[in-house]
Amino acid sequence: AQKVTQAQTEISVVEKEDVTLDCVYETRDTTYYLFWYKQPPSGELVFLIRRNSFDEQNEISGRYSWNFQKSTSSFNFTITASQVVDSAVYFCALSNSNYQLIWGAGTKLIIKP
Amino acid sequence: EPEVTQTPSHQVTQMGQEVILRCVPISNHLYFYWYRQILGQKVEFLVSFYNNEISEKSEIFDDQFSVERPDGSNFTLKIRSTKLEDSAMYFCASSERSGDYEQYFGPGTRLTVT
Repeated sequence: AQKVTQAQTEISVVEKEDVTLDCVYETRDTTYYLFWYKQPPSGELVFLIRRNSFDEQNEISGRYSWNFQKSTSSFNFTITASQVVDSAVYFCALSNSNYQLIWGAGTKLIIKP
Repeated sequence: EPEVTQTPSHQVTQMGQEVILRCVPISNHLYFYWYRQILGQKVEFLVSFYNNEISEKSEIFDDQFSVERPDGSNFTLKIRSTKLEDSAMYFCASSERSGDYEQYFGPGTRLTVT
């Protein structure tokens, strides 16, 4: 069975703090893809990153960084020096062998000024 | 920058009525998808579409649902006889290829069934 677990339902931090959103996945596929999407209050889904199962290099994009660890089946997302505009629901997703996106339940991130 | 568009942004319908949700994918994309998100819940896959036929569909996508690409640009989701539990945000997405390529999402259509 394929599954994505985002155990943190809601996280609240004060602006400028660093915050890490956890994502744990389950799959039997040897080739798979992982994604993070952001859903701001306006409701649209904004693509942030994709990672394939053969590339365990961590990635940094500005204040965003991702830590992919196959050994623990985790694909965590860290925002450094958080800003109020980062407030959103963040979804982790897994692309299965049929290329459907399997979504986690999302983590609501609240950044307080 | 090219984007996926969806119309209408909000549709209110009565239980038992048919609705058609419309999407215009990014023009050079070949794979199309519909997802739904019940308010406050996770996003759920409904169906994928390639080469004018359904590639995959989930258990949610029962006989009440159908998809069509009536012309070269539109991609539609039809719900034949809406139920209260069909109330959700419906997202269309498209991708250049399948698998490792990111799916670009439209802004969604909020469907309210009364």
